[in-house]
This record gives sequence, structure tokens and C-alpha cells, in this order.
Amino acid sequence: AQSVSQHNHHVILSEAASLELGCNYSYGGTVNLFWYVQYPGQHLQLLLKYFSGDPLVKGIKGFEAEFIKSKFSFNLRKPSVQWSDTAEYFCAVNAPNDYKLSFGAGTTVTVRA
Amino acid sequence: GAVVSQHPSWVICKSGTSVKIECRSLDFQATTMFWYRQFPKQSLMLMATSNEGSKATYEQGVEKDKFLINHASLTLSTLTVTSAHPEDSSFYICSAIERSYGNEQFFGPGTRLTVL
Repeated sequence: AQSVSQHNHHVILSEAASLELGCNYSYGGTVNLFWYVQYPGQHLQLLLKYFSGDPLVKGIKGFEAEFIKSKFSFNLRKPSVQWSDTAEYFCAVNAPNDYKLSFGAGTTVTVRA
Repeated sequence: GAVVSQHPSWVICKSGTSVKIECRSLDFQATTMFWYRQFPKQSLMLMATSNEGSKATYEQGVEKDKFLINHASLTLSTLTVTSAHPEDSSFYICSAIERSYGNEQFFGPGTRLTVL
């Protein structure tokens, strides 16, 4: 079974600051990697995903993530955050051909105007 | 994108009663749906996999007799919390697989259950 750890529980930053959220997973085989966002009062939405190929993945709303296999990491980044990026961010993994997702604990991001 | 709805969005019930939560895929057919539970400030915990026309597959530690799952059609899965107790209070989220979107999971908005 896979497990996912997110290092930051709560991140507070100002608008225009850069954001990086850590995500590490433990699993011996090939994995699919995901970042989801949950805005206040809304459902989970997919930000980006990595299955194979270029380890630098670009997603929606200016987010990107880099898969570093040697570090079992899939960190999420955004160069310049906006107030509207205030949300809960979840990293998730599954094994290929297994749709069941294992989620990290989530990181609350608060962007101050 | 594909849309998944849940009903109700919130429910308050008395201890000992049963509550049914519906999960619908609105614009696609979903042979597989998932039910998650989310505690405050915590992650989503997978409870079970709901397969259309067959029995649900429950994760370890989830009581199948307490959390009844029925996936009777390609667009509807229901979760019934039987004999609910205060410790069952939580946020329940469903998701559905949309195969034409590369098997991406689309999530419902969740149902807040409060058991008094």
C-alpha cells in the first residue's frame, strides 16, 4: 500500500509570494501522482497529475509540480500566489491500473491580501 | 468536465437512526465510484469502492454492515449509515471514475453528517 506525507500543515503567505508544498510518498513500484485543491466550501478539484514522461508537470491556475523519483517526491509550486489560491491542497497517489487514491493529510494555504 | 453531485449536502440526525447519502454522476456513466470520509483538518480516508451491479469492496477497518453501499445504476451510488452514532459525524465525499477523461476521479461536493 502507498502512503503519502505532506510536510506543511498550514502555510501563510502574502500575495505575489512564491509557494512550494512538499509531498513525499512511499511505495516500491510505479505510481501515478496527483495534486488536488479544495477551495472553501467547494469540492475537490484536480490541479495536475503525473503518470509518466516529463517529470515537470504543469497544471491549471499556474501551478506546476516536479516528480523526483530518487526522492520519492512530488512537490507543488506556484511562482506568485493570489488571494484566490487560499485553499486546502492534497497530494495523492495510486498505482497504475488501481484507481484507489491514497491522500496526504493536506496543507492549508492562506494567502493574505 | 464531468460533474458529480451529492445529496443531501448536510444532514443532522438523532443517534440510532439511519441516513442515506446519494452520489450521482450527472453527465457520464460511472461503473466505479468511491466513498471517502474526511475528518476535520485531516485527509480523505477511503472507505469503500462501489461497483455497479456488484458488492462494494470495503477498506480494512470499515464496517460493511454499518456503512451500506448500493450501486444500482451507472449513475447512482448510495451510502447508508445505519444506526448512526455521534462518532459517525463526519464529512462524506464520493467520487466517480470518468473513463473518457483518462480514468480521472471526479469528486462530489461532500455531505456533512452530524449525529446528535
